[in-house]
Amino acid sequence: GDSVTQMEGPVTLSEEAFLTINCTYTATGYPSLFWYVQYPGEGLQLLLKATKADDKGSNKGFEATYRKETTSFHLEKGSVQVSDSAVYFCALSGPVGGATNKLIFGTGTLLAVQP
Amino acid sequence: NAGVTQTPKFQVLKTGQSMTLQCAQDMNHEYMSWYRQDPGMGLRLIHYSVGAGITDQGEVPNGYNVSRSTTEDFPLRLLSAAPSQTSVYFCASSLSQGASGNTIYFGEGSWLTVV
Repeated sequence: GDSVTQMEGPVTLSEEAFLTINCTYTATGYPSLFWYVQYPGEGLQLLLKATKADDKGSNKGFEATYRKETTSFHLEKGSVQVSDSAVYFCALSGPVGGATNKLIFGTGTLLAVQP
Repeated sequence: NAGVTQTPKFQVLKTGQSMTLQCAQDMNHEYMSWYRQDPGMGLRLIHYSVGAGITDQGEVPNGYNVSRSTTEDFPLRLLSAAPSQTSVYFCASSLSQGASGNTIYFGEGSWLTVV
């Protein structure tokens, strides 16, 4: 079945460091890919998404490119801030026109940014 | 606009007790779902609904019941609580099923402890 694998955390960085959180997926067809962020004590918020190969999703300085050839959707940010400390989830859902938009999540990666 | 509202935010239950987690959305979304979040396992789909009167099982449905009598509400019932159901529960909704263009909105979560 479809699945998402993301790097285990925690990832600890200093402020202004470069961030990469790896995410790879296994899916039949052509899924859509998402990054969700969960700040402490809160629910999940959509950070960015990409719906087809070579699409780049971006938001709040974060970027991820849908790479079909490597089945990857790695999250990157050039300069992290303390306020970026959160848990980041990679997820996929069924393709456009599919029967459902159920999300399949990775296990989450905790990012801790130190001043 | 309240979005997706879950209650209660925190609950402690004794083994064998029953309870209902409430979820309501005010965005006229057709698609609603319940996830549970456990350490090291990401979010897993419990049940989902594609519209009023229609529900279906997700990945981990055992021990839970749902109903969808209105578009707005999608309660999750624990029939006889067990310690294995200690988790954080998230309700989610989106405009419709399918089509990756639909953003999925999450509630803030309900922290449930079964002792």
